[in-house]
Amino acid sequence: DAGVTQSPTHLIKTRGQHVTLRCSPISGHKSVSWYQQVLGQGPQFIFQYYEKEERGRGNFPDRFSARQFPNYSSELNVNALLLGDSALYLCASSHRQFGEKLFFGSGTQLSVL
Amino acid sequence: AQTVTQSQPEMSVQEAETVTLSCTYDTSENNYYLFWYKQPPSRQMILVIRQEAYKQQNATENRFSVNFQKAAKSFSLKISDSQLGDTAMYFCAFMKYQASGTYKYIFGTGTRLKVLA
Repeated sequence: DAGVTQSPTHLIKTRGQHVTLRCSPISGHKSVSWYQQVLGQGPQFIFQYYEKEERGRGNFPDRFSARQFPNYSSELNVNALLLGDSALYLCASSHRQFGEKLFFGSGTQLSVL
Repeated sequence: AQTVTQSQPEMSVQEAETVTLSCTYDTSENNYYLFWYKQPPSRQMILVIRQEAYKQQNATENRFSVNFQKAAKSFSLKISDSQLGDTAMYFCAFMKYQASGTYKYIFGTGTRLKVLA
């Protein structure tokens, strides 16, 4: 079975632009969560979606939004990009909502110039 | 607010030796989960071990085991018979379910482990 897939793997944007990151969970997994990992730090929780509903939100501004589709894939959108948004964005999936082992993708490296 | 602290930014160990990575956390909750994740240079996070707070027995996965001290809010990871493939960043993580029906996931800043041949 395929693991968690994220696209694109690398992305370069300029300040003020908008970006959409995509994630496909492992087949059968209904929960998708997003994390931002700035160089040298641990991942920061952004969102969790379960059964297409938002079930968790970290301390990120409203410029960050996400959604989950009927096939359980997910998109993370970031508007009005700032230099500080440069980071590795990780997506993880799990079968259930809470307490389960997370399976991570390899991430999208976003650079904002 | 919950916090997760990993006080060892870097550690090294000789191949086949044992190493312990430290993690402390702060919470007023009674029911939560703790995890250790490994992030090799490929950047893909991999679960190493998981512990439910309501379980007193320490979790074990092959060469990996934890020392969970709930009262002290300590959750250390012991790696026995270290292998070169264990070289990676290791993150301690805390998860709790909130009254709002959502959950919160907090990671520490990581410990970079290097296994020496």
